[in-house]
Amino acid sequence: AQSVAQPEDQVNVAEGNPLTVKCTYSVSGNPYLFWYVQYPNRGLQFLLKYITGDNLVKGSYGFEAEFNKSQTSFHLKKPSALVSDSALYFCAVRETNAGNMLTFGGGTRLMVKP
Amino acid sequence: EAQVTQNPRYLITVTGKKLTVTCSQNMNHEYMSWYRQDPGLGLRQIYYSMNVEVTDKGDVPEGYKVSRKEKRNFPLILESPSPNQTSLYFCASSLRSGGTNTGELFFGEGSRLTVL
Repeated sequence: AQSVAQPEDQVNVAEGNPLTVKCTYSVSGNPYLFWYVQYPNRGLQFLLKYITGDNLVKGSYGFEAEFNKSQTSFHLKKPSALVSDSALYFCAVRETNAGNMLTFGGGTRLMVKP
Repeated sequence: EAQVTQNPRYLITVTGKKLTVTCSQNMNHEYMSWYRQDPGLGLRQIYYSMNVEVTDKGDVPEGYKVSRKEKRNFPLILESPSPNQTSLYFCASSLRSGGTNTGELFFGEGSRLTVL
């Protein structure tokens, strides 16, 4: 079975500071990992994914994520937060042989204050 | 424009009154899925479909039905809604994973359902 944990319900950061949103996963095989963002009253939007290769993945809006196999983590990062980054962020995982079956974490609300 | 369209976006109904939430995608995706989003619980999968006439249960299928008669449409049916089905519902679609396709999901804008 595959699962995802996002240990923080909310992350607060000041504008201009670096941000990290944490995600850990559990799969029995190799993982495909995804980050999605949800702005108020909108659907989820794809941010980035890790499939294979370089452990540092770059995505939309200046976000990046680091895959760490030994720690089974896929933390989302951004060097300098913007107020407009405030949103709900979801980490998702699926095993490489699990078809399209994505499992989502509970979500982390990011609040960036001016 | 590539999109997943859900209707209605907002609905208030009463217990027991059958309703259907429609979902349509224009990307020729094989895979479609319904999720519900509840505070503190993230997204939970209700049903999914790998292709026309192929559907299967997700994690929380009780009280819901789906059908996939056409590739583009995947309606969610609540035969006898109850208050515990008050939630925010999302439809999503993707190409079938495999080869160079890694199955990123495209989401609709959501349908907020309140059952009184």
